[in-house]
Amino acid sequence: DAKTTQPTSMDCAEGRAANLPCNHSTISGNEYVYWYRQIHSQGPQYIIHGLKNNETNEMASLIITEDRKSSTLILPHATLRDTAVYYCIVKTNNDMRFGAGTRLTVKP
Amino acid sequence: NAGVTQTPKFQVLKTGQSMTLQCAQDMNHEYMSWYRQDPGMGLRLIHYSVGAGITDQGEVPNGYNVSRSTTEDFPLRLLSAAPSQTSVYFCASSGGWGTYYGYTFGSGTRLTVV
Repeated sequence: DAKTTQPTSMDCAEGRAANLPCNHSTISGNEYVYWYRQIHSQGPQYIIHGLKNNETNEMASLIITEDRKSSTLILPHATLRDTAVYYCIVKTNNDMRFGAGTRLTVKP
Repeated sequence: NAGVTQTPKFQVLKTGQSMTLQCAQDMNHEYMSWYRQDPGMGLRLIHYSVGAGITDQGEVPNGYNVSRSTTEDFPLRLLSAAPSQTSVYFCASSGGWGTYYGYTFGSGTRLTVV
């Protein structure tokens, strides 16, 4: 199974871009990278996913390196409501395994 | 469109009691799964189902049973509750199985076993 490595915590100033890194050096060719976030103790919320091309939606952008060994989630204008735990996951068929994630704190 | 609905939201059990956590989805999703989340930790997969009549074990299946008689429902049964099963339980569903499909999560059931 491909596994991911994320920093334990990060801070970001409100209004600035939040860049959350993730390493997944053992990812296989057909495995997607997913990002979820969990606010307080709510259920995880889907953010974005990608295979090898960069992706953008209304919430965030996902930048995947050419060798696919790492990726970065970008929240372009972080707000206080973006304070959450962010999970980077490499999905293997039926298995979506959550690590400890990165606790992002957006500060005024 | 309700998405994934979990009931109850909160539950307190005594050691040795049994109960069923309910999960229902109205998106006609084939794939459903149960996770548990202990304080300060990520989610761990308990059981999953790729369609009605098909279930399989995840990372931490011991102490839990599941069945999938319909596409919509995927109940999780605790046969004899133990304090170690105190956790928050999340149900998730997906439009398919395989690496492409992401998950929709319910709001969770907070279970305390005393």
